[in-house]
Amino acid sequence: DGGITQSPKYLFRKEGQNVTLSCEQNLNHDAMYWYRQDPGQGLRLIYYSQIVNDFQKGDIAEGYSVSREKKESFPLTVTSAQKNPTAFYLCASTGQGKRPYTFGSGTRLTVV
Amino acid sequence: GQNIDQPTEMTATEGAIVQINCTYQTSGFNGLFWYQQHAGEAPTFLSYNVLDGLEEKGRFSSFLSRSKGYSYLLLKELQMKDSASYLCAGSSYNTDKLIFGTGTRLQVFP
Repeated sequence: DGGITQSPKYLFRKEGQNVTLSCEQNLNHDAMYWYRQDPGQGLRLIYYSQIVNDFQKGDIAEGYSVSREKKESFPLTVTSAQKNPTAFYLCASTGQGKRPYTFGSGTRLTVV
Repeated sequence: GQNIDQPTEMTATEGAIVQINCTYQTSGFNGLFWYQQHAGEAPTFLSYNVLDGLEEKGRFSSFLSRSKGYSYLLLKELQMKDSASYLCAGSSYNTDKLIFGTGTRLQVFP
């Protein structure tokens, strides 16, 4: 079955550590996105990529980095520069045109 | 800016009808999506409006007025399982990226 997979589902990080969240899709979608969601809040765009080897900053890119070396993969690194990283992270992808996003099941990151 | 506004919380009774409104700045978007999100889960797609008017899908309907920067999601015959957050999202002209509102948390009571 086609879909988008995020791993891990839960992640704990010590302060000062970098951590990478995985996002893989087998939908042949060109565009991929990373959103952050805080309790009781909507989704805020971190980074997005419309094509391999290219990506753009979203509204809250500071303290995060991404890569898009393969069409299927769009990993997100939460760096130690991100001051408040505890949140629910959602990855999404979409094909060309105004099509609904397909979301992954999310990664809940907690800084301990 | 590209603000999207929707109420934070709403309550309704099982079997009733509820309308969740969403307003946005007209200069930024050319379509509106509605998503449902249960707590701790990923959003799921409900509807997409790009033209003015009402789109009906079973118990759920969505309306768009582009000139007014206004959309609503109408939920009929409410069920307990409809208790969730409902996210309004604008689709920008030049890319496929979505800008989300803060979401409306709907609680359905017996």
